[in-house]
Amino acid sequence: GQNIDQPTEMTATEGAIVQINCTYQTSGFNGLFWYQQHAGEAPTFLSYNVLDGLEEKGRFSSFLSRSKGYSYLLLKELQMKDSASYLCAVLDSNYQLIWGAGTKLIIKP
Amino acid sequence: GAVVSQHPSRVICKSGTSVKIECRSLDFQATTMFWYRQFPKQSLMLMATSNEGSKATYEQGVEKDKFLINHASLTLSTLTVTSAHPEDSSFYICSARDYEQGDNSPLHFGNGTRLTVT
Repeated sequence: GQNIDQPTEMTATEGAIVQINCTYQTSGFNGLFWYQQHAGEAPTFLSYNVLDGLEEKGRFSSFLSRSKGYSYLLLKELQMKDSASYLCAVLDSNYQLIWGAGTKLIIKP
Repeated sequence: GAVVSQHPSRVICKSGTSVKIECRSLDFQATTMFWYRQFPKQSLMLMATSNEGSKATYEQGVEKDKFLINHASLTLSTLTVTSAHPEDSSFYICSARDYEQGDNSPLHFGNGTRLTVT
């Protein structure tokens, strides 16, 4: 079966750095997405990785290791507005998106 | 960037009535749109894939006669929840991909519809 694992919840302090991990086992791989979802709102696209390595976009970076079936989202200089759920999703061989359950990130002052 | 508009954002209806939710791609054509449902504190669950000009593909366990999908044009898909019951209360979100950007382009989501059935 296809499976994506990410921690259910994480807590971090404003101004700090947090890394949200995602491991996956899917039928094929055509890329991995990270989305941010604030409570009661729809997800918004953060990043896409299809090749190994680190993609940096402002305060957010995303890393991929295809051989390990592993990705992480790195958030720097945390702000209170970063409190949200972060969803990891993998595009499988049929270009179907397989979603993780999401990681709820709580930022404390 | 690609924008998906979803309407209404909130709806309250009585049990047994039907509710229609519209999803529009505003600045791109979407031959395929995806309808998701999300219960509180749970992840997104794909309900069905809406295909322009043909029948929708429903995920296992989703009743096609209850959740009617119509994708009549390249920019509009509608989801109708028929004979709604309180257990249908949920957050419904549509999404679409701009295929001109490639099969691996990101999904763009509408703002979602919060359905409450009383």
